[in-house]
Amino acid sequence: KNQVEQSPQSLIILEGKNCTLQCNYTVSPFSNLRWYKQDTGRGPVSLTIMTFSENTKSNGRYTATLDADTKQSSLHITASQLSDSASYICVVSAGTGANNLFFGTGTRLTVIP
Amino acid sequence: GAVVSQHPSWVICKSGTSVKIECRSLDFQATTMFWYRQFPKQSLMLMATSNEGSKATYEQGVEKDKFLINHASLTLSTLTVTSAHPEDSSFYICSARRPAATNEKLFFGSGTQLSVL
Repeated sequence: KNQVEQSPQSLIILEGKNCTLQCNYTVSPFSNLRWYKQDTGRGPVSLTIMTFSENTKSNGRYTATLDADTKQSSLHITASQLSDSASYICVVSAGTGANNLFFGTGTRLTVIP
Repeated sequence: GAVVSQHPSWVICKSGTSVKIECRSLDFQATTMFWYRQFPKQSLMLMATSNEGSKATYEQGVEKDKFLINHASLTLSTLTVTSAHPEDSSFYICSARRPAATNEKLFFGSGTQLSVL
């Protein structure tokens, strides 16, 4: 069964601290893995997208890693800011169609001053 | 970069009325768009795939007559919630796919919060 599981469900950190969000998947065949940031009441915004051959990709303070062998990905946020408070969603694609996308339930990150 | 515009961002309507939500790809042609529904603290659930010039493909459990989808042009897809009821209150999001040379790009609209009274 194709599944995407994220952990933790929620996380509270102090401003300026780093954090790492996890994503484990069982999707097959694997096409790519994406991390999105979704602010409350807004649509998701793409942070990174990685294919099978990529094991790390950065976007500013966001760094995603991918281990295709263990089917795990992580999103590391460096020097967190209050504006990082959002839900972070891991999405795994099983093919070229977006109807082959499998969404994680997200990690709700709250950054406090 | 590519932008997907969704309108309105929020709507309040009376039970029994119909509500139309628009999704536009602003700087690229999208032969395929997607409609999702999201309940509070839950992830996105795909409702249907909207194909330009043909009928939409609905996911299991989604009522075709309830959620009418029209994709009349390469830059516009609409979702009409017909005879809306309070249980239809939710956050609706569209996305559009822009094929790229390397990775397929998927962009989301900003979402529409529907509240049915």
